[in-house]
Amino acid sequence: EPEVTQTPSHQVTQMGQEVILRCVPISNHLYFYWYRQILGQKVEFLVSFYNNEISEKSEIFDDQFSVERPDGSNFTLKIRSTKLEDSAMYFCASGNGGTGTDTQYFGPGTRLTVL
Amino acid sequence: EDQVTQSPEALRLQEGESSSLNCSYTVSGLRGLFWYRQDPGKGPEFLFTLYSAGEEKEKERLKATLTKKESFLHITAPKPEDSATYLCAVQAEEISSGSARQLTFGSGTQLTVLP
Repeated sequence: EPEVTQTPSHQVTQMGQEVILRCVPISNHLYFYWYRQILGQKVEFLVSFYNNEISEKSEIFDDQFSVERPDGSNFTLKIRSTKLEDSAMYFCASGNGGTGTDTQYFGPGTRLTVL
Repeated sequence: EDQVTQSPEALRLQEGESSSLNCSYTVSGLRGLFWYRQDPGKGPEFLFTLYSAGEEKEKERLKATLTKKESFLHITAPKPEDSATYLCAVQAEEISSGSARQLTFGSGTQLTVLP
């Protein structure tokens, strides 16, 4: 069964450093998302991406964040200068969208620890 | 602003003891309500999508129902392997055709099933 994959599973970085989180969405999906979950808190939406551009973004997704689909298979989230409060699980999701089933399928996550 | 409230926060059941989890929501036009299962340190695993009031979906010991203001996840004769956090999320109607709409999650119900 196709699934969303994410790398790395755990990333440790120093405050102020840049990190890139990588995702391979399900191959025939057209809609891509990033969410995050701070330990013990809700899953929060960051950004959605469709047709090679950002579709929606939350207040969390400020100028320090960017997303890219560099090729036909990868979807990346870059944090330019990490802060302590960026420590969280980051989940990538993908979906078919459209007028039918609109389910988003999540990857296993990348645990980001900022020291 | 879309809001999702789940209750109870935590639920302990004996194996075989049936119960229900509640998800109350407010959304500016519901496109879909989603139930996910999340194990510790893992990504949300899709269970059900419900689109309109009166709709029901079943999978093994789980049954999800939807009204105009809330959804229930009924667990019949649970087993220890059903122990997990169950997340409810809503998706609002499209802003424009093809937009990738975010999910708004509740805080989840942490279910423990004792043998």
